Amino acid sequence: EVQMVQSGAEVKKPGATVKISCKVSGYIFTDYYLHWVQQAPGRGPVWMGLVDPEDGKTEYAEKFQGRVTITADSSTDTAYLELTSLRSEDTAVYFCTAQSTKGNWFDPWGQGTLVTVSS
Amino acid sequence: DIVMTQSPDSLAVSLGERASISCKSSQSLLYSSINKNYLAWYQQKPGQPPKVLIYWASTRESGVPDRFSGSGSGTDFTLTISSLQAEDVAVYYCQQYYSTPPWTFGQGTKVEIK
Repeated sequence: EVQMVQSGAEVKKPGATVKISCKVSGYIFTDYYLHWVQQAPGRGPVWMGLVDPEDGKTEYAEKFQGRVTITADSSTDTAYLELTSLRSEDTAVYFCTAQSTKGNWFDPWGQGTLVTVSS
Repeated sequence: DIVMTQSPDSLAVSLGERASISCKSSQSLLYSSINKNYLAWYQQKPGQPPKVLIYWASTRESGVPDRFSGSGSGTDFTLTISSLQAEDVAVYYCQQYYSTPPWTFGQGTKVEIK
């Protein structure tokens, strides 16, 4: 069974940095791109970026460029999302998700990590 | 970037009745050489991640009840729940994967019981 297990909730002050992990099991980690998606309260999902776990190549959404870093550690089958210069608008649930084995949609998903940015 | 627009934002349907959600894209999602529309539908229940229901606009994911169906082509798509069940209460999102990055989602449609 494919599983994506994310790290726990975080509370951060404005201007801080958060790093979230996503441990994958049940498939070959380097076979599929890993993505991160932001979902603010009551809003639709927003794609943030991806990493190719095989070579570490990344692509980022323009909205987050300069503040986001996505990495993958194939020795531990774990992907990471780092977001810097946090502001209140970054309060959201962050999901990791894999590109499906059948096409370029997203399946499966991690359970989500709530990041709260508050002074 | 391709903009995805869903309507309505919410709808209330009686148990056993039909629910239909529209999704429009700002450009065609049809890859004509293979006649496939690069559109997926997701269901999200409170406190859970999205779950894919439909891909290629009309292919049901394994295990998804057949009361869920997807239709449409080009820029206009519909998700239909033929007979609404209590467990279908959720927010539904469409997503394009035709022109990426970025992958883009609709704003969501909340389905409730009337």
